Amino acid sequence: SQQGEEDPQALSIQEGENATMNCSYKTSINNLQWYRQNSGRGLVHLILIRSNEREKHSGRLRVTLDTSKKSSSLLITASRAADTASYFCATMRAGGTSYGKLTFGQGTILTVHP
Amino acid sequence: KAGVTQTPRYLIKTRGQQVTLSCSPISGHRSVSWYQQTPGQGLQFLFEYFSETQRNKGNFPGRFSGRQFSNSRSEMNVSTLELGDSALYLCASCDGNTEAFFGQGTRLTVV
Repeated sequence: SQQGEEDPQALSIQEGENATMNCSYKTSINNLQWYRQNSGRGLVHLILIRSNEREKHSGRLRVTLDTSKKSSSLLITASRAADTASYFCATMRAGGTSYGKLTFGQGTILTVHP
Repeated sequence: KAGVTQTPRYLIKTRGQQVTLSCSPISGHRSVSWYQQTPGQGLQFLFEYFSETQRNKGNFPGRFSGRQFSNSRSEMNVSTLELGDSALYLCASCDGNTEAFFGQGTRLTVV
């Protein structure tokens, strides 16, 4: 079963606008990762944020993590048509028995119109 | 560094057959995980291998199995295929509790 929920399920914006996606999860985590997927292909790793971090940046991406609310957000600034894809958050649970196991949200489908 | 390589990319099998999928992780990564992605269930964890040992397993029937070789390459096998096994199977490699990098996946269609 999926641990997290992503919100919104679908997002449609114009090129140049910012896109914000949210992710909630249920258990204590070691880290949270965001991925992009184009049309049923492989997952492209975007960014990892650890449980002791609150914010990270990578290029046009900004990720925040609020462990007290068990939530994260991904902001893509100045979006481009090429950003059109599905975006997933994935959590790695804290504790020693979660080796290699990422629990994924249902994803947000982002469409950026030229 | 080469990325994660999965073969084959596409596969069509008949119900009742078995299938073996292959995954070569990033050089130096010893952890390999497998995931199934379907429109209805999303991305679900199958199992994880580290140094040839299965350390973690998801909630899938025993028809799904895997193994890892001494060079960290991994295979997963599905026996007695069912129509519901049609999915994109993704493999990820990881170096400790860090980023997991995924391959392009194997699209399995069971007819």
